Amino acid sequence: ETGVTQTPRHLVMGMTNKKSLKCEQHLGHNAMYWYKQSAKKPLELMFVYSLEERVENNSVPSRFSPECPNSSHLFLHLHTLQPEDSALYLCASSPRRAGGYNEQFFGPGTRLTVL
Amino acid sequence: SQQGEEDPQALSIQEGENATMNCSYKTSINNLQWYRQNSGRGLVHLILIRSNEREKHSGRLRVTLDTSKKSSSLLITASRAADTASYFCATDAGGKLIFGQGTTLQVKP
Repeated sequence: ETGVTQTPRHLVMGMTNKKSLKCEQHLGHNAMYWYKQSAKKPLELMFVYSLEERVENNSVPSRFSPECPNSSHLFLHLHTLQPEDSALYLCASSPRRAGGYNEQFFGPGTRLTVL
Repeated sequence: SQQGEEDPQALSIQEGENATMNCSYKTSINNLQWYRQNSGRGLVHLILIRSNEREKHSGRLRVTLDTSKKSSSLLITASRAADTASYFCATDAGGKLIFGQGTTLQVKP
């Protein structure tokens, strides 16, 4: 494993539910990311946090709400989702947010199904 | 928007053969990275090549980068059944990675 864990691994929820996805990295990285991976589409960057500050929000609907309480933890709060939000949600971390020569380390993902 | 586009979308080969995947992108980059994803799992970083590099090796992997053509290739030599996965290129133009749609590789034993 890469040192990035995600829970739960699978989640089924109704459109009126509220749930949260959790990500934890044990690599001492400063940047964390949420991605959405849908079938037949490229990986979509949703949010970027650098040193616990949100630095990017790629036009993600407000029914997705991220939270980064410290540099090791990242949450994605979900409420009133739509069936088209069903996807694999991946968390990643990197040593720093800036580009340059950094690779990203991914968690195993949460498979979300919205009924 | 800038995006890596992989070619082919799917590739099926026999164990022991070589597999070549290509990636094209649109704008200047700092580096280009290749990732592997096994079915339903997270991505695993394979190799990073900087914009001033032309070729890089890691074990059975060989990556080339041609910035004049804005393209890269990933060669997996002597493929194994365990290499069966999706492979993605990702371009770093400063601050975030832009991923392509990937090449699905099947290696038949």
